[in-house]
Amino acid sequence: NAGVTQTPKFRVLKTGQSMTLLCAQDMNHEYMYWYRQDPGMGLRLIHYSVGEGTTAKGEVPDGYNVSRLKKQNFLLGLESAAPSQTSVYFCASSLGGHSNQPQHFGDGTRLSIL
Amino acid sequence: AQTVTQSQPEMSVQEAETVTLSCTYDTSESNYYLFWYKQPPSRQMILVIRQEAYKQQNATENRFSVNFQKAAKSFSLKISDSQLGDTAMYFCAFLIIQGAQKLVFGQGTRLTINP
Repeated sequence: NAGVTQTPKFRVLKTGQSMTLLCAQDMNHEYMYWYRQDPGMGLRLIHYSVGEGTTAKGEVPDGYNVSRLKKQNFLLGLESAAPSQTSVYFCASSLGGHSNQPQHFGDGTRLSIL
Repeated sequence: AQTVTQSQPEMSVQEAETVTLSCTYDTSESNYYLFWYKQPPSRQMILVIRQEAYKQQNATENRFSVNFQKAAKSFSLKISDSQLGDTAMYFCAFLIIQGAQKLVFGQGTRLTINP
């Protein structure tokens, strides 16, 4: 039972480099989310999607882009990485709609920008 | 906008003791859920317990229970008979049921259970 899988688990980038974080879920969930977690703070929502082909901005979207081309995948892109984007990134998914089911989280990706 | 505040950055108790973690929130919504998530050193986010705002009865899950005071917008977590495995960061979170169902998290409380 894979649930929510994030790839990669760790990555070190240089300032200005680009990369894509992949989130995959096998629970047929409609809604998917990307969060970042910084020391002393809870998780903050970057972008989210309420269905295949849809995306929307969360609380801290600047410097990130997302795509949801397939229902099971939600990609988070950094076009030009900055040291301020050093963080742990979490993906989550949920059934959505009128469901009262909670969000399921991946194990996180630790990203360091030098 | 919704906000969630956890006023205790760190707490420490002895094994087998009872500990209560505090959480307050601010919202004008009437229909929502509240959650407590646990994040051990492994970094996983694990759902501990949830409470529907329309239910007056406090939720319980084995050794975990909540004290939900809707009028005061308070949602505390009580851990009874604490165990070493309870050592983790604990996050209180708020969810509006309509629309995108976005979670809003508090800053977290680092709980250490000492042997």
